[in-house]
Amino acid sequence: DTGVSQDPRHKITKRGQNVTFRCDPISEHNRLYWYRQTLGQGPEFLTYFQNEAQLEKSRLLSDRFSAERPKGSFSTLEIQRTEQGDSAMYLCASSYRLAGNREEQFFGPGTRLTVL
Amino acid sequence: GENVEQHPSTLSVQEGDSAVIKCTYSDSASNYFPWYKQELGKRPQLIIDIRSNVGEKKDQRIAVTLNKTAKHFSLHITETQPEDSAVYFCAASISGSQGNLIFGKGTKLSVKP
Repeated sequence: DTGVSQDPRHKITKRGQNVTFRCDPISEHNRLYWYRQTLGQGPEFLTYFQNEAQLEKSRLLSDRFSAERPKGSFSTLEIQRTEQGDSAMYLCASSYRLAGNREEQFFGPGTRLTVL
Repeated sequence: GENVEQHPSTLSVQEGDSAVIKCTYSDSASNYFPWYKQELGKRPQLIIDIRSNVGEKKDQRIAVTLNKTAKHFSLHITETQPEDSAVYFCAASISGSQGNLIFGKGTKLSVKP
């Protein structure tokens, strides 16, 4: 499968625990985005990387959230001290940034987080 | 920052009829407008997109129109089929900048056979 993959697909955790999600983008893509989607809403931007550099973070991304993309390949999103309000689908997307191209973002299947 | 409004939130049509979904955006710097289709439990998938230097784009039964002056864009689906039933999201971004998408809240389209 050459598409964007995410792991795990589902995560159930208790409030206060830490969780980490992984995203593997399409191999030649240099941009990677994290979005959060709650029921009945569109995806909301959290953060993005160009290669290994994290260039933008949304105000939605509290201090409990941290993301990395070592070596510009896969990315991880960690949530510390989870709260019930963190329950959502976490989507990863990747694109290839080149002057003049469409920059279509390809989404992964998402990780559904449930905080009890 | 950018804000995208999408209407209607739900749309029910008979098979074979046309469906139209409308979006407005607030940031005049936005220049890339994709539409995504999301089936229940699945990932969003791009169905069509348009850049601000184009007023209309068509791909078989799907078309998108853009009015830069009014800052609104629309998705048109003709000859709808039951498999078109899904949630459709419009989005806007500033291509060439960070490129993050700002999404509308979605339209749940139901096509009745």
